[in-house]
Amino acid sequence: NAGVTQTPKFQVLKTGQSMTLQCAQDMNHNSMYWYRQDPGMGLRLIYYSASEGTTDKGEVPNGYNVSRLNKREFSLRLESAAPSQTSVYFCASSETVRPQHFGDGTRLSIL
Amino acid sequence: KNQVEQSPQSLIILEGKNCTLQCNYTVSPFSNLRWYKQDTGRGPVSLTIMTFSENTKSNGRYTATLDADTKQSSLHITASQLSDSASYICVVRLNNAGNMLTFGGGTRLMVKP
Repeated sequence: NAGVTQTPKFQVLKTGQSMTLQCAQDMNHNSMYWYRQDPGMGLRLIYYSASEGTTDKGEVPNGYNVSRLNKREFSLRLESAAPSQTSVYFCASSETVRPQHFGDGTRLSIL
Repeated sequence: KNQVEQSPQSLIILEGKNCTLQCNYTVSPFSNLRWYKQDTGRGPVSLTIMTFSENTKSNGRYTATLDADTKQSSLHITASQLSDSASYICVVRLNNAGNMLTFGGGTRLMVKP
């Protein structure tokens, strides 16, 4: 029962570097989401994909891009990393309005 | 602005004791309210989900209540266990935004032996 799998689990970047966070789900869910979680704050939505082929901005999209590669995979890209993007990133998936299933996160530090 | 506020921010209790976590929200229009448990280093896991018409819902030793009039919810944990040590997150879904959720900042619970 893999559920939602995120890679990598940890990453350290230098300011200005780029990287892609990967997410895959095996529950055949239509909707997928990317969040960031910062200390003392609730999870904030970066981007979401309601269905394969569609993506939309969430609350904090600046500095990020996403790709819904197929129904299973939804990636998050940082084109030019900044220290303010140091955070824990969570991917989630759900079937329409059902509870979202979360991965275990990617811990990203930008120096 | 739609907000979800949780209290206390952190709580320490002894194993076997009960505790109650609070959630106040200003999200409108309201669709449903969820409680998630997040273990350290893991993603959140859904505990309960309640719609506007539901006052209480249980999941084992976890009981959630909802007062939609006062926009308050609580999560009661009975006979706490060491494995209950985690962050508990209150999440509210808007009625007009697909599956868009507003997250509280969480209550960090530590259960000590």
